[in-house]
Amino acid sequence: GAVVSQHPSRVICKSGTSVKIECRSLDFQATTMFWYRQFPKQSLMLMATSNEGSKATYEQGVEKDKFLINHASLTLSTLTVTSAHPEDSSFYICSASPGTSPSGELFFGEGSRLTVL
Amino acid sequence: RKEVEQDPGPFNVPEGATVAFNCTYSNSASQSFFWYRQDCRKEPKLLMSVYSSGNEDGRFTAQLNRASQYISLLIRDSKLSDSATYLCAVTRGYSTLTFGKGTMLLVSP
Repeated sequence: GAVVSQHPSRVICKSGTSVKIECRSLDFQATTMFWYRQFPKQSLMLMATSNEGSKATYEQGVEKDKFLINHASLTLSTLTVTSAHPEDSSFYICSASPGTSPSGELFFGEGSRLTVL
Repeated sequence: RKEVEQDPGPFNVPEGATVAFNCTYSNSASQSFFWYRQDCRKEPKLLMSVYSSGNEDGRFTAQLNRASQYISLLIRDSKLSDSATYLCAVTRGYSTLTFGKGTMLLVSP
């Protein structure tokens, strides 16, 4: 099946620093990628839709200046958490669809667990 | 009403039991429906898509009831390895999935 890779899988940083997470589609091109966030015992919440070559579309309540998304190529999207604070500690997961799936099935990266001290 | 709702559980069942989960959705225009499995601290993995006609994959059966706006997942002959959180997901646009909070299943020996 389609493969989506995410890096790093785990990151610990100090409050106020910025953290970049990469999401790559390894065997297909992804015009669109999705970034989710999951707090403990909570659902995956869509943060933003990343569009190759254009601006990301953010969900209501998600600060676009804090969560910078860049989708510079058809296989790579990055999420940068700027000036991270402890409340940003969460599990961040990206996903993408090959587009050949008729029902729009999504494939997920392995997730990145961010801990902000 | 939340877009996608699930009973969080946990459902505690013995090995070999049959267990069923339901998931309700609020957007009647939703087109695609899925069940994902998520193990602790891991990413979700697709378990199965849910079709109007219902579908079965081994011990797993998924059904869709559009009139009542819910989907279901039935697991027969539960195994210890089935212990996980089961997320239902509904599309609100092409590939834009909305997830429920998940239902935790614990299968005991």
